[in-house]
Amino acid sequence: SQQGEEDPQALSIQEGENATMNCSYKTSINNLQWYRQNSGRGLVHLILIRSNEREKHSGRLRVTLDTSKKSSSLLITASRAADTASYFCATDTGDSNYQLIWGAGTKLIIKP
Amino acid sequence: DSGVTQTPKHLITATGQRVTLRCSPRSGDLSVYWYQQSLDQGLQFLIQYYNGEERAKGNILERFSAQQFPDLHSELNLSSLELGDSALYFCASSAGHWGTEAFFGQGTRLTVV
Repeated sequence: SQQGEEDPQALSIQEGENATMNCSYKTSINNLQWYRQNSGRGLVHLILIRSNEREKHSGRLRVTLDTSKKSSSLLITASRAADTASYFCATDTGDSNYQLIWGAGTKLIIKP
Repeated sequence: DSGVTQTPKHLITATGQRVTLRCSPRSGDLSVYWYQQSLDQGLQFLIQYYNGEERAKGNILERFSAQQFPDLHSELNLSSLELGDSALYFCASSAGHWGTEAFFGQGTRLTVV
């Protein structure tokens, strides 16, 4: 079953602006991961944040995690046309199945 | 290149037929996951294997089955195909430990006509 829920479902912004996507989940987690999917392609791992971390950076990406609210946000700064993609969050509950639970994704469109 | 290989890349078949999708995980990864993604939809988890054993089942139809072989490659079998089975089917692998990322193949695009 899907645990993560991203919002918004779709986001369209101008190139150069910042894009923020949110992910909420239901159960306790071991870590939360963000992935990007270009149209019709496989997903690519972007960043992993552990449950004891509150913020993590990778290049133009900034991820925050609030375990008390069971939510995470992905911020992409100074967006580029190449950032146009769908973004998914996935939670690792730390159970014995080592299974990732996926959200439905946010479709991000960067307008030139 | 994620290191996960899926074959074939594209498959067109008729309703009622049976197909087999193949996945070779990244070297050393013990967990294999299968996902279905219909047009403009999110990922639907189908099934997970870990070191040859089924670990978790998602929304997998009874017409679908999978297995992971001793060399850790996996196959997803889809039978009695229906038009609604047309989708992208992704395989992903991970080391199988907590806190590890999943690596995705490029998917098999199945079209049922």
